[in-house]
This record gives sequence, structure tokens and C-alpha cells, in this order.
Amino acid sequence: GNSVTQMEGPVTLSEEAFLTINCTYTATGYPSLFWYVQYPGEGLQLLLKATKADDKGSNKGFEATYRKETTSFHLEKGSVQVSDSAVYFCAGNNSGGYQKVTFGTGTKLQVIP
Amino acid sequence: EAGVAQSPRYKIIEKRQSVAFWCNPISGHATLYWYQQILGQGPKLLIQFQNNGVVDDSQLPKDRFSAERLKGVDSTLKIQPAKLEDSAVYLCASSPGLSEQYFGPGTRLTVT
Repeated sequence: GNSVTQMEGPVTLSEEAFLTINCTYTATGYPSLFWYVQYPGEGLQLLLKATKADDKGSNKGFEATYRKETTSFHLEKGSVQVSDSAVYFCAGNNSGGYQKVTFGTGTKLQVIP
Repeated sequence: EAGVAQSPRYKIIEKRQSVAFWCNPISGHATLYWYQQILGQGPKLLIQFQNNGVVDDSQLPKDRFSAERLKGVDSTLKIQPAKLEDSAVYLCASSPGLSEQYFGPGTRLTVT
């Protein structure tokens, strides 16, 4: 079955630092890939997505590129803010039939002023 | 557009008691999911509905968990009887199709 592996946290950065959270996936076929964010006390919300190889998803200054050759979908942001402190989940769905999404274990990001 | 609604937001029960959670998905979304999220882990799919039919319940502990989606809209998830290890956040999500999911705020269950 499909699986998603993301780097363990917590990750602590100073404001304006560069962020990378690694994510790799194992899947049959060509899944769509997602990054979800969970702010404290809230449910998950979609941050960005990519539906095919070489697609780049972007939102709120975050970017991730679907790399088929390395089966990766790393999340990056050039300059993090305190308000980016949250838990980030990488996810992928199966490419056929009904959609079943597999989530990674989450990476907690703490940005300090 | 209203989001996914869940209630209650918090629930504390003793082990062996019963509990039910309610979810109202975004209007028009055919697919509804229930996830269990244990502290420090990613969401684990319990059950997925397409309209009012079940398409995946392979990870639902059917001896104690049950779920239904009447008329293909609202859904309820029930645990009977609860165990200590059921303490978690229960997330409901909906999707218009083969696309991203929209999550509700979750119900935090504590079993003592």
C-alpha cells in the first residue's frame, strides 16, 4: 500500500529563517500529493497540493515540488514567521478508484521571535 | 461557504461508557471521512463514505466502533464500549470528489 514518510520534529527556527520539511512517498501509480497544516486547537487545512510530476504547489509563501525521480515532496519557505508555528502533515492519495489519503506522522514547527 | 461542522468539541467519559460524535459535511460533498488522530501521530482513516455507502472501513474496530451516514449528508460515529486507548481527536472531513479534503475542528475524546 501507499506510505508517506516525513522528517521528525520538532523543528525550531528563528523568525525569517529558511524552512525545509522533508517528505517522501511510496505508492503505486501516480498519486496526488498534499501538505496540510494544523494550527493549535484547530483541524487540518490544506496548505498546497500537486497532482502530477514536476508540478509545484504554492500558498502563503510555502512551496513544494512533486519530484517523481526521488519520490519526494519537500515543503519549503524562504522566511518563516511566528504565525507559521503549527504541525505540518504530508499526505498522498491513491491514483485509482476511490480516493484514500495516507498521512505522514506530522512535523511540529516552532518559530521563535 | 460553511465549513465542516462537528460536535461536541470535547468529551470526557469513563471506560466502558458509550459516546457518539456528529459531523455535518460541506453541502454537496459526496465523500465523508472519519479519522482518529492520537496525540503526536497523523490522522488514521477509520471509515470513508461515498454518499451513504461505505467504501473503506478496513481500519474501523468494528467490535466497538460504528458509523452511519443517513441520506448521504450528516454522519455519526459511535464508540461502545470505550477503552482508554480510544482517547484521541476524532476528525471528520469531506471532499467533493477525487480532490483535497476539508476538515472539521475535531472532537477531543478523553477516556478515564
